Amino acid sequence: KNQVEQSPQSLIILEGKNCTLQCNYTVSPFSNLRWYKQDTGRGPVSLTIMTFSENTKSNGRYTATLDADTKQSSLHITASQLSDSASYICVVSHSNDYKLSFGAGTTVTVRA
Amino acid sequence: DSGVTQTPKHLITATGQRVTLRCSPRSGDLSVYWYQQSLDQGLQFLIHYYNGEERAKGNILERFSAQQFPDLHSELNLSSLELGDSALYFCASSVVGGGPTDTQYFGPGTRLTVL
Repeated sequence: KNQVEQSPQSLIILEGKNCTLQCNYTVSPFSNLRWYKQDTGRGPVSLTIMTFSENTKSNGRYTATLDADTKQSSLHITASQLSDSASYICVVSHSNDYKLSFGAGTTVTVRA
Repeated sequence: DSGVTQTPKHLITATGQRVTLRCSPRSGDLSVYWYQQSLDQGLQFLIHYYNGEERAKGNILERFSAQQFPDLHSELNLSSLELGDSALYFCASSVVGGGPTDTQYFGPGTRLTVL
């Protein structure tokens, strides 16, 4: 079973609307959690990185939250734009051995 | 442009063959990571090198091997290729390797097609 589960698998939103993506993980011990944006056929680009002591981190219209107690994170996209159409990947780092566990990603499609 | 370069961009080969993918990290980055992404699949972590030494291994097959050279570039060798090895292979680099502020920068990827 994957140690990082993302939901929903995909979603479609209208331009200008907000959306929230979820990430649940079982990785332990946990070092940090990252959100990446991946455009089709391109390499992922880092959006946010949070350690266990951080609750929220923003990068422009992207805001990530983390609850280390419940092992949940969310990525909120505000006022979506067509360029936000991409796959969003949650990645959790193990603190012992530097291994990274990847979620399967949420595909976001923004429509005009 | 992330500063990470990968060659070649595309590679088409036949089953049973062996190929080498090359990655040059950003200037100053000591860590190199390799990932595989099959069609409609998530990223699979393969292996991580830090300053020439293997640091972590993921779901890397025994037919695959990698190394990081003294000049910090890295090569991923794939042998006895199978149809299922067709995928995008990404390389990423970071300054250190695994710390909470250590951002990975991804290259553009090499698309491997095995016929």
